[in-house]
Amino acid sequence: SAVISQKPSRDICQRGTSLTIQCQVDSQVTMMFWYRQQPGQSLTLIATANQGSEATYESGFVIDKFPISRPNLTFSTLTVSNMSPEDSSIYLCSVEDLDLGGRAFFGQGTRLTVV
Amino acid sequence: AQSVTQLGSHVSVSEGALVLLRCNYSSSVPPYLFWYVQYPNQGLQLLLKYTTGATLVKGINGFEAEFKKSETSFHLTKPSAHMSDAAEYFCAVSERDDKIIFGKGTRLHILP
Repeated sequence: SAVISQKPSRDICQRGTSLTIQCQVDSQVTMMFWYRQQPGQSLTLIATANQGSEATYESGFVIDKFPISRPNLTFSTLTVSNMSPEDSSIYLCSVEDLDLGGRAFFGQGTRLTVV
Repeated sequence: AQSVTQLGSHVSVSEGALVLLRCNYSSSVPPYLFWYVQYPNQGLQLLLKYTTGATLVKGINGFEAEFKKSETSFHLTKPSAHMSDAAEYFCAVSERDDKIIFGKGTRLHILP
């Protein structure tokens, strides 16, 4: 299995600032996903981050707002830039472990409140 | 504290047979409940969700789930399995604005 450490677990930020969320995995994984869950909603995929290539963003999400880094096979960051109250959500990191038949594992999530 | 238990990491059913994926949860407050599906090399897709109201929830691709508070269950069913249903399925619970907790997932295999 893969163990994911996601930091911070929660934060309260001022509008106009940026927050970087870290996702650390205890094993090498090919595919990492970043999601957002707004209050009362289901998960929405922001982007897929594969090591060695640019992240692939879903419709409605752009790199300038949500830059992603994937420097190696065990680590990724998602930055929420120029935050507004509408960015208040849970942000979740997930990985797919191909060595275990493609099973998915999840971080604990980051609860972001923008004031 | 919230938790989610999915019974069976692997479930096999014959094409055309009933699909039943089990999910039990614990939550200190009325929860939001979700079922997601993940196909290889893709992100999660929402199948259905329960927030409030009708306890039988219908989702995409013919799936449905029933919220049973007395049993703390949210089992996923589909009357007739199709080969394209082969995937990993995740049950999840969220206490309103609190964090999301996922089950460990159930890999559904469809036998021809």
